[in-house]
Amino acid sequence: EIVLTQSPATLSLSPGERATLSCRASQSVGSFLAWYQEKAGQAPRLLIYDASNRATGIPARFSGSGSGTDFTLTISSLEPEDSAVYYCQQRRSWPPLIFGGGTKVEIK
Amino acid sequence: QVQLVESGGGVVQPGRSLRLSCATSGFTFSAYSLHWVRQAPGRRLEWVAVISHDGSKTHYADSVKGRVSISRDSSRNTVYLQMNSLTAEDTAVYYCARDRYWGFHDYWGQGTQVTVSS
Repeated sequence: EIVLTQSPATLSLSPGERATLSCRASQSVGSFLAWYQEKAGQAPRLLIYDASNRATGIPARFSGSGSGTDFTLTISSLEPEDSAVYYCQQRRSWPPLIFGGGTKVEIK
Repeated sequence: QVQLVESGGGVVQPGRSLRLSCATSGFTFSAYSLHWVRQAPGRRLEWVAVISHDGSKTHYADSVKGRVSISRDSSRNTVYLQMNSLTAEDTAVYYCARDRYWGFHDYWGQGTQVTVSS
């Protein structure tokens, strides 16, 4: 079973700063990785699929990169509404579908 | 617009059963696979089950296999999750999510809380 490890656990940044979130897979997942945003009290939202494709309606400040075992979600200029937990998830080898442990982004 | 609305959660005693429902609208129900994903307090998201667009294929997480059954009713545009022999480990918010690209989830419901407690 593939394990996804996200780092850091928490990121505390100011509005306008750049956020870089990491997701590492225990074995190659190709480009079959997604990123989700989960705000407090809300359902998760798909941000990025297949490593680098923005989902419908997602602002351009969100971008994804990587392949194989190392992936990055970048938020180019943080907005206050970006405060959330971000999860990666792979679909290369399933079932089961696996999510990472999440990175909490706090806006100072 | 695409909507998924879960219901059926609540407080249930260990060993009992519960059936969750997810009513969908705003898309062609028969064209999409549907998943259940749960999140226990303070834990990561955990995928539970999936049913294919035509109901012919189902898959389950090992943690629920043999206790849980996913089904769908195209006449009601609704997907169900029948959960039996519930334990405290099943306490979580249960989300219904539409499949995209066979394995990702592009629309999610708001979730329904399941609490297993005596």
